[in-house]
Amino acid sequence: DAGVTQSPTHLIKTRGQQVTLRCSPKSGHDTVSWYQQALGQGPQFIFQYYEEEERQRGNFPDRFSGHQFPNYSSELNVNALLLGDSALYLCASSPRYITGAEAFFGQGTRLTVV
Amino acid sequence: AQSVAQPEDQVNVAEGNPLTVKCTYSVSGNPYLFWYVQYPNRGLQFLLKYITGDNLVKGSYGFEAEFNKSQTSFHLKKPSALVSDSALYFCAVRVPRGFKTIFGAGTRLFVKA
Repeated sequence: DAGVTQSPTHLIKTRGQQVTLRCSPKSGHDTVSWYQQALGQGPQFIFQYYEEEERQRGNFPDRFSGHQFPNYSSELNVNALLLGDSALYLCASSPRYITGAEAFFGQGTRLTVV
Repeated sequence: AQSVAQPEDQVNVAEGNPLTVKCTYSVSGNPYLFWYVQYPNRGLQFLLKYITGDNLVKGSYGFEAEFNKSQTSFHLKKPSALVSDSALYFCAVRVPRGFKTIFGAGTRLFVKA
């Protein structure tokens, strides 16, 4: 089992550009959550997907959007990049059908906006 | 508002000594509680969780945590620290039937040989 895989691992973008990050959940998991972890801070919840729909969103602007595919993989899109979007973006998967299941995290995508 | 507090930015302990990393939370209802560990340039690894039942839960790598409902705390403990335990530790809470997990700011643990 490969666990949660994210791509790419590192990315450098210019202000104003758009970026797409990808995540494949752990086998058997149907729910994907995205988090932003700025340097020296804890992960901040962006949104969660299951059944191909966004179920809840954290305090992030509409520039942040996502998608979940029928195979449960997911994408995070960020438009009009700002310098402040530089962070480690973490994807986490979990099985919705297990009460209190812990989330499994990928290694993250380090996004640098210059 | 829901929140998680880790009052110590850093905890220093000598190898072989017991360690405690503190966590308190402010969440309505009976939340699920988690501890994760993060090594440099890595994602988060699950250590242990409290859902219901015994207030003392045991997890990976010899770690345990004590849930205290009256104090709304979930402190992480280990009887004998190892140098390899040095990492960043996060406490997290999730409301049952909710989607969002709230993380604390993290506590950096240094274990000196």
